[in-house]
Amino acid sequence: RKEVEQDPGPFNVPEGATVAFNCTYSNSASQSFFWYRQDCRKEPKLLMSVYSSGNEDGRFTAQLNRASQYISLLIRDSKLSDSATYLCVVNRLPDSSYKLIFGSGTRLLVRP
Amino acid sequence: NAGVTQTPKFRILKIGQSMTLQCTQDMNHNYMYWYRQDPGMGLKLIYYSVGAGITDKGEVPNGYNVSRSTTEDFPLRLELAAPSQTSVYFCASSLNDRTDYEQYFGPGTRLTVT
Repeated sequence: RKEVEQDPGPFNVPEGATVAFNCTYSNSASQSFFWYRQDCRKEPKLLMSVYSSGNEDGRFTAQLNRASQYISLLIRDSKLSDSATYLCVVNRLPDSSYKLIFGSGTRLLVRP
Repeated sequence: NAGVTQTPKFRILKIGQSMTLQCTQDMNHNYMYWYRQDPGMGLKLIYYSVGAGITDKGEVPNGYNVSRSTTEDFPLRLELAAPSQTSVYFCASSLNDRTDYEQYFGPGTRLTVT
């Protein structure tokens, strides 16, 4: 089983749609969770951290379910500029808090 | 404030050649990392450093070496390049205090070994 698993997609949605991605992780000791965004042929950039209580940043909402070991990202009112690959990232505990495990990513295509 | 910079952006190597990928950060981060990303795959950690003079292996260190003589610089050395090292290489840095684990990435180096 992969340490971090994501549906590769692509998710092809019209502008204005709501889309959700899930990610599962295998290490129950992990404590830090993130969503990174990676545009085509560019470097990953932090989209948002995922807190136990869930968190929201504008159109983006992230949730953590520790019992089932999954993380979700919800994007409301999709924009063309949201087209990218979304990487689920988990820290590699008990090894270390700063070593991150990156999922392979979920590709999102937002069409006009 | 340039963040993390990497050179070169692109490089083609012949099998058996060597090269150094340069990485510099100006954010005074103690932690630095080298990753490789193969098509359709997640990033794999090659080497990392928790401060000047300290380096350690990640998941896929074979065929690579690193050094960290200053806080700012973290070069990655490829010795005897092989086709399996064809990949995109990203350098990253982070602050890593108790609450901030965000990693900042450079723009990447696209390496082809033929």
